[in-house]
Amino acid sequence: DTAVSQTPKYLVTQMGNDKSIKCEQNLGHDTMYWYKQDSKKFLKIMFSYNNKELIINETVPNRFSPKSPDKAHLNLHINSLELGDSAVYFCASSPLGALETQYFGPGTRLLVL
Amino acid sequence: QKEVEQDPGPLSVPEGAIVSLNCTYSNSAFQYFMWYRQYSRKGPELLMYTYSSGNKEDGRFTAQVDKSSKYISLFIRDSQPSDSATYLCAMKGAGGGNKLTFGTGTQLKVEL
Repeated sequence: DTAVSQTPKYLVTQMGNDKSIKCEQNLGHDTMYWYKQDSKKFLKIMFSYNNKELIINETVPNRFSPKSPDKAHLNLHINSLELGDSAVYFCASSPLGALETQYFGPGTRLLVL
Repeated sequence: QKEVEQDPGPLSVPEGAIVSLNCTYSNSAFQYFMWYRQYSRKGPELLMYTYSSGNKEDGRFTAQVDKSSKYISLFIRDSQPSDSATYLCAMKGAGGGNKLTFGTGTQLKVEL
């Protein structure tokens, strides 16, 4: 009965590789998000989708590409991984327009070597 | 200067103490104020949110917003070791503003 799930939980890879992180929510929410949390715990929005439509694209390198096949899924693909991409990536979801009630997934710890 | 400032801690208190966690902010357009709890190696979990100024209570937790001072607080009464976590404040503007701005979190340790 997990609300927001992410796979994988851990990802260790070499610089230059391409990787994907998957996110699924079973809450019936219309809005999904990707956040990046750095080593100092600072949580920053990367992308936001409403019903498969991109509505927020913060200043994120083009190497990051989100894809939403349906409103319950939001995946994140990262090309040409760099050392600075090492972080914890969180997926979240909320009812449409209700950002104040976001539910987060468990996170994906990405380490780029 | 960051839009939302939060003392990173760690804040260590004995079990049973009243804990006060705080955030200050600079953007007067913020209208919604959230508190999240994040255990080590877990995702943030929404504790409470309030709209505009005032207090809101939920069990041992009380959230307080003072918009005139641009200052919000989370009080935890009768703190327990299970409250040990990082507490993140988050804010957003009114009118369906489409992103949250987070503080960097305060690490709390409640000791036996």
